[in-house]
Amino acid sequence: GAVVSQHPSWVICKSGTSVKIECRSLDFQATTMFWYRQFPKQSLMLMATSNEGSKATYEQGVEKDKFLINHASLTLSTLTVTSAHPEDSSFYICSASGYGLKNDQPQHFGDGTRLSIL
Amino acid sequence: AQTVTQSQPEMSVQEAETVTLSCTYDTSESDYYLFWYKQPPSRQMILVIRQEAYKQQNATENRFSVNFQKAAKSFSLKISDSQLGDAAMYFCAYASQGGKLIFGQGTELSVKP
Repeated sequence: GAVVSQHPSWVICKSGTSVKIECRSLDFQATTMFWYRQFPKQSLMLMATSNEGSKATYEQGVEKDKFLINHASLTLSTLTVTSAHPEDSSFYICSASGYGLKNDQPQHFGDGTRLSIL
Repeated sequence: AQTVTQSQPEMSVQEAETVTLSCTYDTSESDYYLFWYKQPPSRQMILVIRQEAYKQQNATENRFSVNFQKAAKSFSLKISDSQLGDAAMYFCAYASQGGKLIFGQGTELSVKP
């Protein structure tokens, strides 16, 4: 099946630093990538949708300058949490859809990144 | 806008028994897809079952089946012969033709040995 690799799986950093999370599609061309945030015992909240080569579309309430999304190629999207603070601590999940996929799932998910800001 | 509602934050089932998780949704679209995802403690998102709105027949995948009531906008998941490995968060999700997923709040299922 389609594989989406997300890296790192867990990161701890100091308040004020920027953190980059990568999301790669390993065996298909990801024309669209989605970034979600999930708090413990809660649902996935869509943060933004990015199409390859275009600016990301952010959901209402998501700070564009805080969460920078780049989708420069058909296999890679990145989420950068800028000047991270403890309230940005969360579980971030990417997913991808695109060409070369079986039509059984709308999106294929990465394994997520646990971000802890001290 | 579409919404998905799971009214059961927690459910419990005895091993080998059957449990049904509820999901309702709201949409004005006629073409869409519905999904159940499982999220175990590892937090991977695992697709359990999928239903196309145009299909009247309820989807089935081994021990997992759905009861899709399009007019009532209801999409429940039945797990038969529950196993310890079924313990997880379950999310109901809606997708329109554009592929954007809308998730319900989730139901945490515990399985008692």
